[in-house]
Amino acid sequence: IAGITQAPTSQILAAGRRMTLRCTQDMRHNAMYWYRQDLGLGLRLIHYSNTAGTTGKGEVPDGYSVSRANTDDFPLTLASAVPSQTSVYFCASSDGTSDFDTQYFGPGTRLTVL
Amino acid sequence: GQNIDQPTEMTATEGAIVQINCTYQTSGFNGLFWYQQHAGEAPTFLSYNVLDGLEEKGRFSSFLSRSKGYSYLLLKELQMKDSASYLCAVRDSNYQLIWGAGTKLIIKP
Repeated sequence: IAGITQAPTSQILAAGRRMTLRCTQDMRHNAMYWYRQDLGLGLRLIHYSNTAGTTGKGEVPDGYSVSRANTDDFPLTLASAVPSQTSVYFCASSDGTSDFDTQYFGPGTRLTVL
Repeated sequence: GQNIDQPTEMTATEGAIVQINCTYQTSGFNGLFWYQQHAGEAPTFLSYNVLDGLEEKGRFSSFLSRSKGYSYLLLKELQMKDSASYLCAVRDSNYQLIWGAGTKLIIKP
């Protein structure tokens, strides 16, 4: 059982390029999330999905888009990368059906935009 | 606005006890979580509090006071492997997690 996988592990990207970060979970969790983590700041929610076919905007959605075509996959796309999107990106998932709804995190993608 | 405050860094000695505090101001409260994050790794779940009081889990305990907007994580019998960042997060009225910046705990022999 892998839990949550993310790809790539790290990436250096030229500004203006399009990039998709992949996230797959095998726990059959309903909810999935994308966060970015920057030094000195808490995890910030970019987008989330409560169930397959639905998505919502988090705290910092600008410049990012997501889709949730099925339960397992939740890709994050940067349409035209900018240097301020340099960060570590974490995907997470949770069952989404109880008050005690713990989020489980993938290993992260370290993205550098030059 | 919503705010979670934790100390940036703490230092403790192997075998000792350390308390990491977290204060919060959020729009609604639906539980408080503590996560551990080793450098370069993903956060992993430690504890969950939704009612006032102390939750104990082995060497780790977490306390919550909703009226004071306050929680702490207590780590006993510190081991070198406890060197990590500890993240406090509150689930708000929209059932989204609001995260503190984390407390980096340094354990010295």
